[in-house]
Amino acid sequence: KAGVTQTPRYLIKTRGQQVTLSCSPISGHRSVSWYQQTPGQGLQFLFEYFSETQRNKGNFPGRFSGRQFSNSRSEMNVSTLELGDSALYLCASSYEQGQDTQYFGPGTRLTVL
Amino acid sequence: GQQVMQIPQYQHVQEGEDFTTYCNSSTTLSNIQWYKQRPGGHPVFLIQLVKSGEVKKQKRLTFQFGEAKKNSSLHITATQTTDVGTYFCAAGDTGNQFYFGTGTSLTVIP
Repeated sequence: KAGVTQTPRYLIKTRGQQVTLSCSPISGHRSVSWYQQTPGQGLQFLFEYFSETQRNKGNFPGRFSGRQFSNSRSEMNVSTLELGDSALYLCASSYEQGQDTQYFGPGTRLTVL
Repeated sequence: GQQVMQIPQYQHVQEGEDFTTYCNSSTTLSNIQWYKQRPGGHPVFLIQLVKSGEVKKQKRLTFQFGEAKKNSSLHITATQTTDVGTYFCAAGDTGNQFYFGTGTSLTVIP
């Protein structure tokens, strides 16, 4: 089975712009979670989608949003980018929602200038 | 809210020495998972512990879940350079959500 894929792998944006990141889960997995990873904060949970519905949400501002499509692919959007949004954004898929084993993608490295 | 503390944050060991990282929760957990992230890579699932007092082994790695299901540890015996990376615990609360620890970065000096 192919693993979790994320596009793009690298992205450079400027403050105030918006960005959309994409994640394709492992075939058959219905849950997709998004995490922000920074050197100082570790892995921070953003949100989880299961069957096209957001099931859990972390403590991030409303500028961070996401959605899931009927084929389980997911997108994450960040509007009005800030310098502090520079991070590695990881997507993880699992078969079930909640506390099932997470299979991570390679991540999208976002740099905000 | 849920808090997951992981210590130490960094650990440097000589190759062949043992290594232990600890994960502590402020509340009782339903389960705990451990992940390893190699430098430049992404977290990879290692193991899940569910039962109170559970101990599981994977070759040189030993995982424990505390009796009160509030803490866990990962112990590596006789470290090798291939063990280098950051080890994360992911604590599952009773509300069906995961909370990742801050990770322990392991450096193995050959």
